Amino acid sequence: KQEVTQIPAALSVPEGENLVLNCSFTDSAIYNLQWFRQDPGKGLTSLLLIQSSQREQTSGRLNASLDKSSGRSTLYIAASQPGDSATYLCAVRQYSSASKIIFGSGTRLSIRP
Amino acid sequence: EAGVTQFPSHSVIEKGQTVTLRCDPISGHDNLYWYRRVMGKEIKFLLHFVKESKQDESGMPNNRFLAERTGGTYSTLKVQPAELEDSGVYFCASSQVGSGANVLTFGAGSRLTVL
Repeated sequence: KQEVTQIPAALSVPEGENLVLNCSFTDSAIYNLQWFRQDPGKGLTSLLLIQSSQREQTSGRLNASLDKSSGRSTLYIAASQPGDSATYLCAVRQYSSASKIIFGSGTRLSIRP
Repeated sequence: EAGVTQFPSHSVIEKGQTVTLRCDPISGHDNLYWYRRVMGKEIKFLLHFVKESKQDESGMPNNRFLAERTGGTYSTLKVQPAELEDSGVYFCASSQVGSGANVLTFGAGSRLTVL
């Protein structure tokens, strides 16, 4: 059974720092992995999607990597800003069950001005 | 383009009552998903519609939950009778079929509080 774990559960850093959020998963037979952002009272916004054949994806100040063999993904945020404060969720979709996305519990990020 | 719309944004009911949550997907999106996050837990899959058909309902917790998507447009999720453990946030998401199926757009969620 696939389990997705995110560490740390919460993180607070000063503005301008580069930071890394971690995600691990137990079953490497994934179809893809996504990073989402959730703001309070809002829906989930997809940030980056990495297909199983890819190693990384980049969008602006965000870079996500995927190492299927070790069951790990990282989300790197460069030059953090207060507007980056949100909960970041990692989620995987598996070949065996393409309908469902399996989410981690998220990392609550706070960027201090 | 309008996003995924969910109603109500927040519902407070007593144990034993019935609640119906509604989701309006993005126009033209045949895939529609329901997820929920109960207190302190991860967001978990409930079910998946393709048009009006249930593709996968393996995540539905029990028979107190009934999801419908008549006509393949909006969907409803009814909880009857509601129990305390049903409290949480219920998310709806939609996507196109085919190459766009990976890109899910989520609604803001419906928060359900059962007292």
